[in-house]
Amino acid sequence: DTAVSQTPKYLVTQMGNDKSIKCEQNLGHDTMYWYKQDSKKFLKIMFSYNNKELIINETVPNRFSPKSPDKAHLNLHINSLELGDSAVYFCASSHSGGAETQYFGPGTRLLVL
Amino acid sequence: DQQVKQNSPSLSVQEGRISILNCDYTNSMFDYFLWYKKYPAEGPTFLISISSIKDKNEDGRFTVFLNKSAKHLSLHIVPSQPGDSAVYFCAASEGNKLTFGGGTRVLVKP
Repeated sequence: DTAVSQTPKYLVTQMGNDKSIKCEQNLGHDTMYWYKQDSKKFLKIMFSYNNKELIINETVPNRFSPKSPDKAHLNLHINSLELGDSAVYFCASSHSGGAETQYFGPGTRLLVL
Repeated sequence: DQQVKQNSPSLSVQEGRISILNCDYTNSMFDYFLWYKKYPAEGPTFLISISSIKDKNEDGRFTVFLNKSAKHLSLHIVPSQPGDSAVYFCAASEGNKLTFGGGTRVLVKP
């Protein structure tokens, strides 16, 4: 009974391509997040959605577009992939939009060649 | 501009002994602090948290201490077990925005 799941787990693609990563949570949470873990292993927030509405949008290139079809799903679409996009992307969810514990998915390892 | 720092990138400890992990922060608006544990090729797993109105929270072998005046928190694991070998991330929350430290790799030797 996976709480936060992501697909795919690994993604290898060429520069310039467009790709999507999917995230689903079955915890009944209202808020979902995308984080990026770069080569230096820092985890940084990219986006947050609460009940399908964008509430956090950090300084992220507009090639990255999150989409939340419902509160259990938050997908990340990346256009015109660049070498620097190579990283591990983690999805997370929490009960509400306040100071709450966030629960993370297993990560999607993206490699752009 | 790192608002959350874990100055020790690694820590090695003997099984049965205490592991002490440290974390410093600069933003006085942080109101909730968490520790996550991460194994290779997995997502971070929540370990323990503490609200800014408390100075200590204990859960089994794990205790988190918060010193607000020093903007410092620490995680004590006692006794340390080989299964505790992982990377530990400190995180601080302002609203629902989590800011993570760079992590400390812990190796517990049998």
